[in-house]
Amino acid sequence: GQQLNQSPQSMFIQEGEDVSMNCTSSSIFNTWLWYKQDPGEGPVLLIALYKAGELTSNGRLTAQFGITRKDSFLNISASIPSDVGIYFCAGQGSNFGNEKLTFGTGTRLTIIP
Amino acid sequence: KAGVTQTPRYLIKTRGQQVTLSCSPISGHRSVSWYQQTPGQGLQFLFEYFSETQRNKGNFPGRFSGRQFSNSRSEMNVSTLELGDSALYLCASSIGTEANYGYTFGSGTRLTVV
Repeated sequence: GQQLNQSPQSMFIQEGEDVSMNCTSSSIFNTWLWYKQDPGEGPVLLIALYKAGELTSNGRLTAQFGITRKDSFLNISASIPSDVGIYFCAGQGSNFGNEKLTFGTGTRLTIIP
Repeated sequence: KAGVTQTPRYLIKTRGQQVTLSCSPISGHRSVSWYQQTPGQGLQFLFEYFSETQRNKGNFPGRFSGRQFSNSRSEMNVSTLELGDSALYLCASSIGTEANYGYTFGSGTRLTVV
């Protein structure tokens, strides 16, 4: 099935470092969502973006909806151990609810002690 | 309020058997989507139901089917199980079918086919 290109696939960082990941698509999206998944659990919504150019923060997390509507990035500042997990972007192209949500391939974040 | 509830959490089946998974959405949510998650393929969309009607379907064989009841609870069924069907099956509920309503995921059902 169709998927977004998400990079990097994995990141190994030290506690306190900032993190940046992004998603790109060949299609235009009207909505971008960022999720985090902990082991053995379902993804949890972190940030939702609804307008091109929109920059939204949720605590230490900041995400932007690209101007071209084909990309989005997520930044995490001053990482802490509970940030470990897999981060997924997801996009939906239609405002009328007749398109499925497409997920990125995920970025696995590991914090090195 | 209660989240999305998926049952069972874990399931082991043998090849050729069939399985039914259940998803109870958040109260008031009328849309339920199902996803298959495997390490190699990520999150793959199976289907979405809204008000008992299938709105969207992913690229999965006909062995995968689903339905939604009048109380918005949904079930998915996989017949003639294959080893490759081993995966985490996730459902997500939403008030409507647009992403700006927000999709809330359950914890998933881990299916192992042996």
